[in-house]
Amino acid sequence: EVQLVESGGGLVQPGGSLRLSCAASGFTFPRHWMSWVRQAPGKGLEWVANIKEDESEKYYADSVRGRFTVSRDNAKNSLYLQMSSLRAEDTAVYYCARGTLFWDVQSGKWYRGGGGVDYWGQGTLVSVSS
Amino acid sequence: ELTQPPSVSVSPGQTARIPCSGDALPKRYAYWYQQKSGQAPVLVIYEDNKQPSGIPERFSGSSSGTVATLTISGAQVEDEADYYCYSADSNGNHWVFGGGTKLTVL
Repeated sequence: EVQLVESGGGLVQPGGSLRLSCAASGFTFPRHWMSWVRQAPGKGLEWVANIKEDESEKYYADSVRGRFTVSRDNAKNSLYLQMSSLRAEDTAVYYCARGTLFWDVQSGKWYRGGGGVDYWGQGTLVSVSS
Repeated sequence: ELTQPPSVSVSPGQTARIPCSGDALPKRYAYWYQQKSGQAPVLVIYEDNKQPSGIPERFSGSSSGTVATLTISGAQVEDEADYYCYSADSNGNHWVFGGGTKLTVL
């Protein structure tokens, strides 16, 4: 069973830092792109960042670029989000999500497909307030 | 940017259609997620029209030009939720969600 468990959320003052973690199990973590997505209270979903299997590619939403850093440790089946210079508008539930992966019978290879996400964790709440 | 109507309302057994418009959709796949109150999102359609295992067959998707559509045929009360479309920009490296559509079935 695929499981994604986020941790590290909490209350932090504006300008502060926080590191979120996501522990993955039930699948071969090193094969998948991974994503962070957030949801402010009462608002919609917002994509935050994507990271390739080997960390060679990372992409960020404009709203967090330069302040947030996504990373992973494939040996520990873990995904991270280092957040700094936090603002009130960063207050949200942060979800980690697994990128899709498919097996191509003809080529005998795994491929990413369209690049969306399939499984989500339950999220961790980050509150930025003085 | 992806645009969805804020709300859609149908009676039980009717067909609900939720559109999602975006300039890059002719080149990029759309994904659809269902989110019930207090829960994490669940994938209901991927790559425009493919159904994940375990999702009821009444959920289907289509895409034509700049509009992707989630269709729930014979909507049921338990389908009440927020639905989000998700896709990438033309380069495929930056992603965006639609604003979400609240589906009411009553």
